[in-house]
Amino acid sequence: EVKLVESGGGLAQPGGSLRLSCEVSGLTFSTSEMNWVRQIPGKGLEWISYINVRDTGLHYADSVKGRFTISRDDARRSLYLQMNTLRVEDTAIYYCATFFGGYSVFWGHGTLVTVSS
Amino acid sequence: EIIMTQSPATLSLSPGERATLSCRASQSITINLAWYQQKPGQAPRLLIYGASIRATGVPARFSGSGSGTEFTLTISSLQSEDFAVYYCQQHHSWPPLTFGGGTKVEIK
Repeated sequence: EVKLVESGGGLAQPGGSLRLSCEVSGLTFSTSEMNWVRQIPGKGLEWISYINVRDTGLHYADSVKGRFTISRDDARRSLYLQMNTLRVEDTAIYYCATFFGGYSVFWGHGTLVTVSS
Repeated sequence: EIIMTQSPATLSLSPGERATLSCRASQSITINLAWYQQKPGQAPRLLIYGASIRATGVPARFSGSGSGTEFTLTISSLQSEDFAVYYCQQHHSWPPLTFGGGTKVEIK
């Protein structure tokens, strides 16, 4: 069974930082492209970042470029999202998902990030 | 950036009825389109990719069609578990990957 488990969400102040993690099991993580998608509660989905195998290709949405950094640790079977200079509008549920051919096949349950003073 | 527009925003139907959901791209995306289903409190679930290919385990009552800029997701006979929000997503030209705003299929 494929499982993706996000962690690291919580409350942060505007201008603060959080690091999200996503631990993957049930598939060969080292050969899996990955991405992060977020969703403001009650609203639609927004793609925010992608990473290919061996870290040779990274992409970001304009809304997070320069503030968020995606990375992976294949030995730990984990995906990360370092979020700096957080804004109120970054408040959302953050999902990690496997990426194949342009679409997201397996998704985690999501972790809620709340940015508020 | 390719803009994806879904209609209607809400579809009110009864179990057993046919549901037809539309997705329009702001420019041609050939068949590089996926559909997802999301139920309250759950992550999205991939239903369709390549505009018409059902993902593993997706019931045959779900079908996707279209190419270019106009796409349709059809649920042939709504079951109780199908009442949810559905999103389309293009992967023809990215970054960014872009999603439609969603269609909520609710019980009439």
